Amino acid sequence: EPEVTQTPSHQVTQMGQEVILRCVPISNHLYFYWYRQILGQKVEFLVSFYNNEISEKSEIFDDQFSVERPDGSNFTLKIRSTKLEDSAMYFCASRGDRAIAYEQYFGPGTRLTVT
Amino acid sequence: AQTVTQSQPEMSVQEAETVTLSCTYDTSESDYYLFWYKQPPSRQMILVIRQEAYKQQNATENRFSVNFQKAAKSFSLKISDSQLGDAAMYFCANAGGTSYGKLTFGQGTILTVHP
Repeated sequence: EPEVTQTPSHQVTQMGQEVILRCVPISNHLYFYWYRQILGQKVEFLVSFYNNEISEKSEIFDDQFSVERPDGSNFTLKIRSTKLEDSAMYFCASRGDRAIAYEQYFGPGTRLTVT
Repeated sequence: AQTVTQSQPEMSVQEAETVTLSCTYDTSESDYYLFWYKQPPSRQMILVIRQEAYKQQNATENRFSVNFQKAAKSFSLKISDSQLGDAAMYFCANAGGTSYGKLTFGQGTILTVHP
C-alpha cells in the first residue's frame, strides 16, 4: 500500500540554524500539507500546497517558513532560522483528487529538537 | 472559521467493552468532512474513520462507528469490543469542502484500555 514517507525521523539543531524537512507524498496525490504538533498539544495546520503553489497558510507559517516541491516527488519544509519554540513533531500529509477521496494520509513525522 | 472541541481529555475502558469518544465542531461551510485519527505512542497519525457531511448514514469501519448529529454539530466515535491495541490518543478533525481541505483538529482524547 502506498504511503507518505518523511526524512529524517529526528533532527536536532541549534537555535538560529536552518533546517529542511523532507517528505515524499503518495505518488498520484495532488494536495500536500504540513502540520506540526508540539509535545502534548493538538495537531496544527501550517500550510497547504496545490498546483505548485501555496494554497493556504496559517498564522504560524511566517516568513521563517517556506515550502517547495523541487521535483515530481519531494515536498520540503524549510525553517530559515530555528527558534526554541519550533521544537515539535512535523507531519507531512497528502491527499488525492477531492472528487474521489477527501482524507489525508500522514507520514510518520519528523521530530525537530531545537537547542 | 472551523473549530473542533473534544471535551474528554482522558477516557478508559475495559478490554472487550464499548467506549464512546465525544467531539463537537463548528464550521461555516455547507460542505465538509469529519474524521477520527488515532495516534499511538509512535506518534504516527492513522485514519480511523471518515464521514461526509452530506451523508445521513453513519459511517462504520469494523469495530469503529460514528454517531453523526449534523444539527447538533456532534460527531462521536464508538469503539466496540475494545482491544489493547486501541489504546492511543484519538483526534477528531474537520476539513472544509470548499477550501483546500486543511484539517482542523480537536485537542485529543487519551484512551486507556484495561485488560
